[in-house]
Amino acid sequence: GAGVSQTPSNKVTEKGKYVELRCDPISGHTALYWYRQSLGQGPEFLIYFQGTGAADDSGLPNDRFFAVRPEGSVSTLKIQRTERGDSAVYLCASSLNPSTSGFFYEQYFGPGTRLTVT
Amino acid sequence: QKEVEQNSGPLSVPEGAIASLNCTYSDRVSQSFFWYRQYSGKSPELIMSIYSNGDKEDGRFTAQLNKASQYVSLLIRDSQPSDSATYLCAVAGGGNKLTFGTGTQLKVEL
Repeated sequence: GAGVSQTPSNKVTEKGKYVELRCDPISGHTALYWYRQSLGQGPEFLIYFQGTGAADDSGLPNDRFFAVRPEGSVSTLKIQRTERGDSAVYLCASSLNPSTSGFFYEQYFGPGTRLTVT
Repeated sequence: QKEVEQNSGPLSVPEGAIASLNCTYSDRVSQSFFWYRQYSGKSPELIMSIYSNGDKEDGRFTAQLNKASQYVSLLIRDSQPSDSATYLCAVAGGGNKLTFGTGTQLKVEL
């Protein structure tokens, strides 16, 4: 079946501009995650959605970053007043919804969006 | 101390040899452990998950977990040049986020 898709694959923007990054999860996956990966580093958690609500947004670096998932499927990560330090690959992942027993389902990543802020 | 630690490498092994990749973690409540493979310029690809102490085998890959020592490893048997990539260790504990190490670069030489 289709995997996680992300658009655009590349985004170049000027400092101070607003950007939106989109993620379409695997069909049937109710949990959706955003991560950010800088060169030479592992992915860094940003935010996690269960259905439509953000269950954990502790990784968002500041209030310039915001994400939504209005219908419980597609999610958009929004970055206001972009800064050069925001340049990174933004990764989206999805999984089956973690159960209340604490079992952690496997996360599958999309191809990522490479954001460059000039 | 980083939450998830990996040797950055590069780890070089000859074709056909066993590659051993190691990872330690600091959070004792961690319950689930994953290995991802990441080729240059690509996104992480899940190759193994392990939840219980001991070994888990899948084809040429074996994941090993020792929760008492807070240690997880990945063995790749009969290494192939196509295995050359960065291997990321990821840990899930309380909450539903993954915490990643910085990855170990593996080079399989002909």
